[in-house]
Amino acid sequence: DGGITQSPKYLFRKEGQNVTLSCEQNLNHDAMYWYRQDPGQGLRLIYYSQIVNDFQKGDIAEGYSVSREKKESFPLTVTSAQKNPTAFYLCASDNRAGGIYEQYFGPGTRLTVT
Amino acid sequence: AQTVTQSQPEMSVQEAETVTLSCTYDTSESDYYLFWYKQPPSRQMILVIRQEAYKQQNATENRFSVNFQKAAKSFSLKISDSQLGDAAMYFCACPLAGGSEKLVFGKGTKLTVNP
Repeated sequence: DGGITQSPKYLFRKEGQNVTLSCEQNLNHDAMYWYRQDPGQGLRLIYYSQIVNDFQKGDIAEGYSVSREKKESFPLTVTSAQKNPTAFYLCASDNRAGGIYEQYFGPGTRLTVT
Repeated sequence: AQTVTQSQPEMSVQEAETVTLSCTYDTSESDYYLFWYKQPPSRQMILVIRQEAYKQQNATENRFSVNFQKAAKSFSLKISDSQLGDAAMYFCACPLAGGSEKLVFGKGTKLTVNP
């Protein structure tokens, strides 16, 4: 079955440590996105990538980094510079067929930093 | 900044009744798609329905339909014959203006379905 996988579902880290969240898709989508979700805030865009080896900052990129070495993979690193990293993180990819830009989402990763 | 506004942080409905969730947006694009996503307690985001701005006919997917008013930039979601499984957060989304392919999401409406 085609889809987006994120692992792990729950992640715990100590303050000051970098942590990488995985996102893999087998939908053959060119574009991929990372969102952060906090209570009452909706989805806020962290980074996005429209093609391999290229990515752009979203609205809240500070303290995060990404890479896009393969079409299928778009890992997100939460660095120690991110002041409030505890949140729910969603990865998505984008079907551009017909200019619809419908986004498909992974199941998310809940990151807790203490 | 471009905005998507969902003015109802929470809504409740009795099982089998109808409920309407509101959404207004701001875009300078002329042709675009609008989306409603559902996020149940599992937190998996699921597409509920989409509407192409060029189509005058409102989109319908089974019990879900939209009331799209392009001039007013309003895109409400109507859920008919509400079921317990409809309980979730609902997010409205529209594309960012200026030719970008990013979506802007509203802050969501939490829907409770009472038995």
